[in-house]
Amino acid sequence: AQRVTQPEKLLSVFKGAPVELKCNYSYSGSPELFWYVQYSRQRLQLLLRHISRESIKGFTADLNKGETSFHLKKPFAQEEDSAMYYCALLTMDSSYKLIFGSGTRLLVRP
Amino acid sequence: EAGVVQSPRYKIIEKKQPVAFWCNPISGHNTLYWYLQNLGQGPELLIRYENEEAVDDSQLPKDRFSAERLKGVDSTLKIQPAELGDSAVYLCASSLGSGYNEQFFGPGTRLTVL
Repeated sequence: AQRVTQPEKLLSVFKGAPVELKCNYSYSGSPELFWYVQYSRQRLQLLLRHISRESIKGFTADLNKGETSFHLKKPFAQEEDSAMYYCALLTMDSSYKLIFGSGTRLLVRP
Repeated sequence: EAGVVQSPRYKIIEKKQPVAFWCNPISGHNTLYWYLQNLGQGPELLIRYENEEAVDDSQLPKDRFSAERLKGVDSTLKIQPAELGDSAVYLCASSLGSGYNEQFFGPGTRLTVL
């Protein structure tokens, strides 16, 4: 079954602390994974994608096929990072379906 | 560039009433998606269009939901009749083709069924 699991509904950290948002997936094929973010009163937008191997706003994510994980990390959280974060899996069959996790709310306290 | 436009932003109806949502994708985006987002959940795909063709509607409850994308630009999603469980946010997204291409999301329509 194709599934994305984000075990934490809420993650609260202090400004300057490291952040790790967990994402685990279940997929029989070769996964393509994404992180989407939704800031308060804004629309859902792409943060980063595995295939690009990029760092966006200080965030990085490494695909670990052995642990079937794609955790999102940032060494020093900022207050403006407070948002809802969704991990998503793109199925690489003909359906090209984006399957989202249930999301983690990150709250960065001053 | 306004991005993906959706209307209305909010809709409150009584159960058994019909409701329709409209989406205007980013200019030039041939792929359009409708998602359903229940409270506390991530978006779930309802239907995907490539131009005017619905290429994946396997998750669309066809007994009460219908969608169209005439002329391969704007799209309408309809529910008739609405049920209490349909209360959710309905998101529209578009992209330059499917697959790896980034999906750009609209602001969503929040539907409340009383």
